Amino acid sequence: ELKVEQNPLFLSMQEGKNYTIYCNYSTTSDRLYWYRQDPGKSLESLFVLLSNGAVKQEGRLMASLDTKARLSTLHITAAVHDLSATYFCAVDKESDDKIIFGKGTRLHILP
Amino acid sequence: DGGITQSPKYLFRKEGQNVTLSCEQNLNHDAMYWYRQDPGQGLRLIYYSQIVNDFQKGDIAEGYSVSREKKESFPLTVTSAQKNPTAFYLCASSIFHVRQGNEKLFFGSGTQLSVL
Repeated sequence: ELKVEQNPLFLSMQEGKNYTIYCNYSTTSDRLYWYRQDPGKSLESLFVLLSNGAVKQEGRLMASLDTKARLSTLHITAAVHDLSATYFCAVDKESDDKIIFGKGTRLHILP
Repeated sequence: DGGITQSPKYLFRKEGQNVTLSCEQNLNHDAMYWYRQDPGQGLRLIYYSQIVNDFQKGDIAEGYSVSREKKESFPLTVTSAQKNPTAFYLCASSIFHVRQGNEKLFFGSGTQLSVL
């Protein structure tokens, strides 16, 4: 059974600091996604990572994928208040197209 | 504009009642998904469909049913057998019939279902 674990589940940090969210998954996969959700809203796609060593960056967010370790990271650089949201990683199971989400990391950035 | 439309935005269910949540997409996507989100929790997969007239159970299918009679539509029925239906329901779609590499899920705006 495919399991996706994120940590931490809650993170409160000061503006200007750097931090990393981790996403571990339990079985082989051919793609990994990162999504953002604002309170009461739907999910917005941030990144799709397809291969070992893939790195993608958008503004202050950078995502990477290590398929051998079954680990993805979402790194936040010099956080700003606007990045406060819940961040989800999701993994696409190769064999049956199920896309399984982690529990999410609720990020609160203090001004 | 292309996208996914979920309706209604809010829905109330009486005990013993079946209710149906609508999901329509005009993105010409093959695959469609239903997820349930409980407060402060992640998304759990209820059902998914990769092609018209075919669908598979996700991790929490009990008490739910779906149909996929048209490519554009994937309605979810919450039956009276679902004893704890209060949650935020999200529908999503993606191109999966031909994997080209950068496909992602597009989400609707969600339906909040509550029990009266």
